[in-house]
Amino acid sequence: AQSVTQLGSHVSVSEGALVLLRCNYSSSVPPYLFWYVQYPNQGLQLLLKYTTGATLVKGINGFEAEFKKSETSFHLTKPSAHMSDAAEYFCAVSERGRRALTFGSGTRLQVQP
Amino acid sequence: NAGVMQNPRHLVRRRGQEARLRCSPMKGHSHVYWYRQLPEEGLKFMVYLQKENIIDESGMPKERFSAEFPKEGPSILRIQQVVRGDSAAYFCASSPPGGSDTEAFFGQGTRLTVV
Repeated sequence: AQSVTQLGSHVSVSEGALVLLRCNYSSSVPPYLFWYVQYPNQGLQLLLKYTTGATLVKGINGFEAEFKKSETSFHLTKPSAHMSDAAEYFCAVSERGRRALTFGSGTRLQVQP
Repeated sequence: NAGVMQNPRHLVRRRGQEARLRCSPMKGHSHVYWYRQLPEEGLKFMVYLQKENIIDESGMPKERFSAEFPKEGPSILRIQQVVRGDSAAYFCASSPPGGSDTEAFFGQGTRLTVV
C-alpha cells in the first residue's frame, strides 16, 4: 500500500524566508503527486501536481516542487514566505489507474513577522 | 460555476442517531469522493462513486457507513448509530472524467460532532 510521509508536523519561518516542506512517498512505481493547502475551516485547494514530464513543477502563489525519483521525494518550496502562506499543507499521491488519494499527515506552516 | 457544495457545514448528533452528509459536485463532474479527517490528522479516503455506482469503497468502515450518488441529486454519506469516534471533518471532492492524474476539487467539509 502507498504511504506518504511529511517530515515536520509544524514548520515556522520568518516572513521573507525560504519555505521548505518535505514529502516522501513509498511506491515502486512513481505515482502522481500533489500538494494541497488547507486554510482554517476550509476545504483543500490544489497548489500543484506532478504527472509526467518536467520534474520541477510550478504552482500557484509562488510555490514549486521537484519530483526526485531516486529519493522518492516531492518537496515543496517557496523562495520568500508571506504572512498569507500560513496554513496547513498536505502532500498526496495517487496510484496510476486508481483515483483515491493517499494523504500525508500534513505540515502546519507558521509565518512570523 | 459554483464549487463543490457540502451541507450542512456543521452537524451535531447524539450517540446512536443517524448522520446524513450531502455533497453536490461541481457542474460537469461525474465523479465524487469522500474523505474523513480526524483531528490533527491528514485526510483518509473513504469511497469513490460515479452516478449510481460505487467504484471503490476500500476505505469505508464495514459497518454503519454507506454512500450513494443517485442519478438525480447530491451524493449522500450516511452514518448510522453514530459514536463519539465518528466525530471528524468529512470532505467531499469531485472531478470530471479522466485519469487518476485528474484534479479533484474539494468542498469546505462537514464537521460532525457526536455528543
